[in-house]
Amino acid sequence: AQSVTQLGSHVSVSEGALVLLRCNYSSSVPPYLFWYVQYPNQGLQLLLKYTSAATLVKGINGFEAEFKKSETSFHLTKPSAHMSDAAEYFCAVSERGSSNTGKLIFGQGTTLQVKP
Amino acid sequence: KAGVTQTPRYLIKTRGQQVTLSCSPISGHRSVSWYQQTPGQGLQFLFEYFSETQRNKGNFPGRFSGRQFSNSRSEMNVSTLELGDSALYLCASSKRTGESGYTFGSGTRLTVV
Repeated sequence: AQSVTQLGSHVSVSEGALVLLRCNYSSSVPPYLFWYVQYPNQGLQLLLKYTSAATLVKGINGFEAEFKKSETSFHLTKPSAHMSDAAEYFCAVSERGSSNTGKLIFGQGTTLQVKP
Repeated sequence: KAGVTQTPRYLIKTRGQQVTLSCSPISGHRSVSWYQQTPGQGLQFLFEYFSETQRNKGNFPGRFSGRQFSNSRSEMNVSTLELGDSALYLCASSKRTGESGYTFGSGTRLTVV
């Protein structure tokens, strides 16, 4: 069964430092891949998605992610953290094909803390 | 452009009762999915509807059900509520398939006492 692993439930960085949130998936066929952010008491906001175009995907708020098939990874990065980036981040996959339509499988989430 | 609207935002129910949650997707989006979010289990897929038909279902008991109307609005129902049903229930809409991405609503926070 498809699964998503986010390494590190909590990541702490200083303001202005590099943000790196790790995501690995398990699938023999590259799925669709997504990163979402969730602020307290809110829903999920889509940061970026990979759907088999360019392997380096740019998203909103300065975030980007690189799809690496050989490593089955889709890590999220941002060159310089801002205080407003503090939130919970979720990596998710959706298998290609009609049998899994509408179904996102989420990782357990990573809480990003940004220190001043 | 209006986003995905979920009502109500907060709900408190007693064990054994039933509850209905509502989701209005983005205009033009025909796919609606539902998720349950809890601290212990994280985000789990409940079911997905497209053009009033359930196309996919997660591993939840039959107490959890849903439907979609001709205007793409969707409702989910939970009968015989249990304490463990306390969660944030999120709805997401999409144009057609997963490739186009999913837009989430702000959720309904259900507390069962």
